[in-house]
Amino acid sequence: NAGVMQNPRHLVRRRGQEARLRCSPMKGHSHVYWYRQLPEEGLKFMVYLQKENIIDESGMPKERFSAEFPKEGPSILRIQQVVRGDSAAYFCASSPTGLGTEAFFGQGTRLTVV
Amino acid sequence: ILNVEQSPQSLHVQEGDSTNFTCSFPSSNFYALHWYRWETAKSPEALFVMTLNGDEKKKGRISATLNTKEGYSYLYIKGSQPEDSATYLCAFPGNQFYFGTGTSLTVIP
Repeated sequence: NAGVMQNPRHLVRRRGQEARLRCSPMKGHSHVYWYRQLPEEGLKFMVYLQKENIIDESGMPKERFSAEFPKEGPSILRIQQVVRGDSAAYFCASSPTGLGTEAFFGQGTRLTVV
Repeated sequence: ILNVEQSPQSLHVQEGDSTNFTCSFPSSNFYALHWYRWETAKSPEALFVMTLNGDEKKKGRISATLNTKEGYSYLYIKGSQPEDSATYLCAFPGNQFYFGTGTSLTVIP
């Protein structure tokens, strides 16, 4: 059973481009969480999704950021018109049944905006 | 937004010393408390999921206790080793996982 897979591991984008980050949860997990780690800071919640539904997006900036978790395929975190301040490590985690159960993290995608 | 606090922020101990640190969380509407270990350049790894007041869990030299009435959990490491160096995070599930800022542990050989 493969763990949570995130790709790409490293992504470089120029200011104004779009960044797409993918997260494939563990097999059987229908709950996905996205977190951002800014330099010198801890993990900050962005969004919590359950298959095809956004449960909580209170941590996600209202402009330029969106997330989806379609019925088939990975969860996608999309950042439009990236700015230098978006440079960070983005982690996703998955769990089988929601917040009371253990969440497993992916290796993260390190986004650098130049 | 729930307040999950960890202390101390960082800790340096000598190899062989035992150490502990704290996670404080809201005591109302408790559901579970999670501990994670996060090594540099890796992803956070789950250590414990604690659900019952008075719970004590152990994994090797690492153990954790839980007091849901007063809203705190302690993580203990007995006989610290250099490989224990990592950031230890606690997380409190609410509408989302609320993570503390972590305790960064450095074990000096």
